[in-house]
Order: sequence, then C-alpha cells, then structure tokens
Amino acid sequence: DAGVIQSPRHEVTEMGQEVTLRCKPISGHDYLFWYRQTMMRGLELLIYFNNNVPIDDSGMPEDRFSAKMPNASFSTLKIQPSEPRDSAVYFCASSPRAGNTIYFGEGSWLTVV
Amino acid sequence: GDSVTQMEGPVTLSEEAFLTINCTYTATGYPSLFWYVQYPGEGLQLLLKATKADDKGSNKGFEATYRKETTSFHLEKGSVQVSDSAVYFCALSGGFTGGGNKLTFGTGTQLKVEL
Repeated sequence: DAGVIQSPRHEVTEMGQEVTLRCKPISGHDYLFWYRQTMMRGLELLIYFNNNVPIDDSGMPEDRFSAKMPNASFSTLKIQPSEPRDSAVYFCASSPRAGNTIYFGEGSWLTVV
Repeated sequence: GDSVTQMEGPVTLSEEAFLTINCTYTATGYPSLFWYVQYPGEGLQLLLKATKADDKGSNKGFEATYRKETTSFHLEKGSVQVSDSAVYFCALSGGFTGGGNKLTFGTGTQLKVEL
C-alpha cells in the first residue's frame, strides 16, 4: 500500500515566488492534515480537512498561505509570495477516521532564499 | 487547551543502556496518546499508541503506558541500539479540543546512541 505521497521533496526558491506543495493521501482516508516543522517552533498544524472540507485553518500563519483539497486524492498548500521565514519542512498526513492513527508523508523541504 | 510536555534533549546513551523519555500531557476528556519517531531526513513514523487509561503500547522493544492518574506516557526501552538514534515526539489527539484526529505534539526529544 502506498503511503502519503508528497511533492516536491525538496525545493529552493527565491523570495517573492509562488510555491505549491502537493499531497496525495492514502486511499480511503477521510482526514488530511498539513503540518509545518521548524527548529524554532517544532511541529505546527496548519490546516486539516475532513472529506475534502477545511475544518480548522487557525494554524495558517497568514494570508500568503492557502490550502485546497479539490478531491479525495489530492491537496495543495500554496505560499504566495514566499518569504525566507517560510523555510521549513512541510508535512502532509492522512487518517482514515476520527480517533485513528495519522500517517505522515516524507515531507517537502522548502528553502526560500 | 491540550498540551504535551517532553523532556529536553539531546539524550545521549551508550548502546544497550536503558532509555526513558518523559512525556506528560494536559487534556480533558479521554485523549489517545502516541509516540512518533523521526529519523534524519525522513518524515514521522508512528512508533506506538495507547487509546485508554492503563493501556500499554509497544513496538520494536519500545513501550509506554497510558497513566491517567499522573497524566503521563513515558517512553521506555530496555536496551537501545545505535539505530534507535532519532527524534522522538509524544503526541495526543482528542481530549479538550475534541476535533477527532487533531494531533498536538510535544517539542521532540533527540536521542543519540553511541557505541
């Protein structure tokens, strides 16, 4: 069974550019999460979806960040415009239902210069 | 709201030493508790979990017991190996914030095992 698939694995971009991170959750999972990991702030939940509907986006840092889930097998996290402080590892994760185990992708390592 | 507190790292041990990484939590209701492990350059992998009080989660020689009376979920292993070197995260879901699956993570504890 394929796990959570994220792309790109690594991205280096210049400040001001648009960044789009992509995620394919595990088939059949109802929940999808976007987390950000930095040395300073640890793991932060940015947003999560249930059945493609955003449930809680209170962790999204500012309007430059947006996330969509157009169908059950695909989600994007977009940063526009990007800034150096957005440099982090962005994890996508999915879960089959409430109270169950959450499975993480391998992360997208973003560097904004 | 919910919170998880882990012991500060790094923790440096010799191979075959006994490991304890402390984790305490704050939550109302009945959270599920988890330990995730992150190896260098990789994502988080579930190590073990416990869903109710007095449950013991175990995997790969690691174990942790859900202690509601002390609000703790300490990770232990009797004999660590160099390959156990990683960052370990304690986490909870449910509890005060409800929200089903939202995971609240501790800050992580880095473990280094030396020969």
